[in-house]
Amino acid sequence: KQEVTQIPAALSVPEGENLVLNCSFTDSAIYNLQWFRQDPGKGLTSLLLIQSSQREQTSGRLNASLDKSSGRSTLYIAASQPGDSATYLCAALEGNQNFVFGPGTRLSVLP
Amino acid sequence: GAGVSQSPRYKVAKRGQDVALRCDPISGHVSLFWYQQALGQGPEFLTYFQNEAQLDKSGLPSDRFFAERPEGSVSTLKIQRTQQEDSAVYLCASSFGGGGETQYFGPGTRLLVL
Repeated sequence: KQEVTQIPAALSVPEGENLVLNCSFTDSAIYNLQWFRQDPGKGLTSLLLIQSSQREQTSGRLNASLDKSSGRSTLYIAASQPGDSATYLCAALEGNQNFVFGPGTRLSVLP
Repeated sequence: GAGVSQSPRYKVAKRGQDVALRCDPISGHVSLFWYQQALGQGPEFLTYFQNEAQLDKSGLPSDRFFAERPEGSVSTLKIQRTQQEDSAVYLCASSFGGGGETQYFGPGTRLLVL
């Protein structure tokens, strides 16, 4: 059974810092991996989707990498801003269409 | 609509009551997913529809949970005889096709069972 973990569970950084969020999954037979952002009381917003054949995806200040062989993905946020404060979730998509989510990393960017 | 909508946004139920949660996906989206998110945890898959067909219901925790999408658009998740452990946020998501396309999530319904 696929298990997804994320470290750290929580992170607090001053504005302007670059940071890395980590995601690990136990079964490398994934279809794709997706990073989401969740704000309190709201649904999930998709940030980046990496297909299993890809190594990384970039969108603005965000860069996500995928290493299937080691079962790891990282989300890199450059020049963090207070508006980046949220919970970040990674999810591995298995062939049966199910997303298996990690528990999330709660990020606080302090002004 | 512009995005996935869910209603009600909040629901308080007494233990033993039946509840129905509604999801309106993005128009034209073929796939629809339901997830359950407990406090402080990531969402967990419940069930998946492609059009009106329920292709996977392996995540439904018990036979008290039932989902339908009779016309291939709006979906309803019904929970019978609610119990306290059913308290969670129920998220709905839709995608244009299947095969791992980006899923767009609604704001969720927060269910509290007393």
